[in-house]
Amino acid sequence: DTGVSQDPRHKITKRGQNVTFRCDPISEHNRLYWYRQTLGQGPEFLTYFQNEAQLEKSRLLSDRFSAERPKGSFSTLEIQRTEQGDSAMYLCASSFYSGQETQYFGPGTRLLVL
Amino acid sequence: GQNIDQPTEMTATEGAIVQINCTYQTSGFNGLFWYQQHAGEAPTFLSYNVLDGLEEKGRFSSFLSRSKGYSYLLLKELQMKDSASYLCAVRDRSNDYKLSFGAGTTVTVRA
Repeated sequence: DTGVSQDPRHKITKRGQNVTFRCDPISEHNRLYWYRQTLGQGPEFLTYFQNEAQLEKSRLLSDRFSAERPKGSFSTLEIQRTEQGDSAMYLCASSFYSGQETQYFGPGTRLLVL
Repeated sequence: GQNIDQPTEMTATEGAIVQINCTYQTSGFNGLFWYQQHAGEAPTFLSYNVLDGLEEKGRFSSFLSRSKGYSYLLLKELQMKDSASYLCAVRDRSNDYKLSFGAGTTVTVRA
């Protein structure tokens, strides 16, 4: 039984560098979500896909953030010109869109921008 | 948006019962989820309520009152491994069925 996987699990980068994270959802799931979580807070919605279509991007997400899901399977989240405020846990979740849609989370990528 | 409120911290003794409350305000309620999150790990799904009443799953139960905008998660026979953050999340039709999360309640179980 394969769950949601994310890579890398940890990333340390210098301010101004670009980083890219990957998420592999549960295979039959058609929705994929990206969240950001900081210490003491719940996950904050960033963007989501249904199959390969990006349906919504949070207003909180600056133009430095971009996400893709080119074949409706795995997804990437890229952050350009990282800032210290980008340091957080980036969580990916997937679901099968239906009446009771339960999102299942991956282990997350913890980003530290120095 | 949704206002989701839950206590920041709770402490209980091993073997005891703890109840974590969650209140919410939403215009198109379409379900409430509880997740457990251990420090540094991803949230894991615990329960789902969409109709009023109690859902029981082993040591964990979740209750929903839609008219009051209120839910609770009940943890019985607490074990040390239950020390974690518990997240309340609400799905909203007016928000394209996306989840909005509370800040989480950190439960500490003491021997």
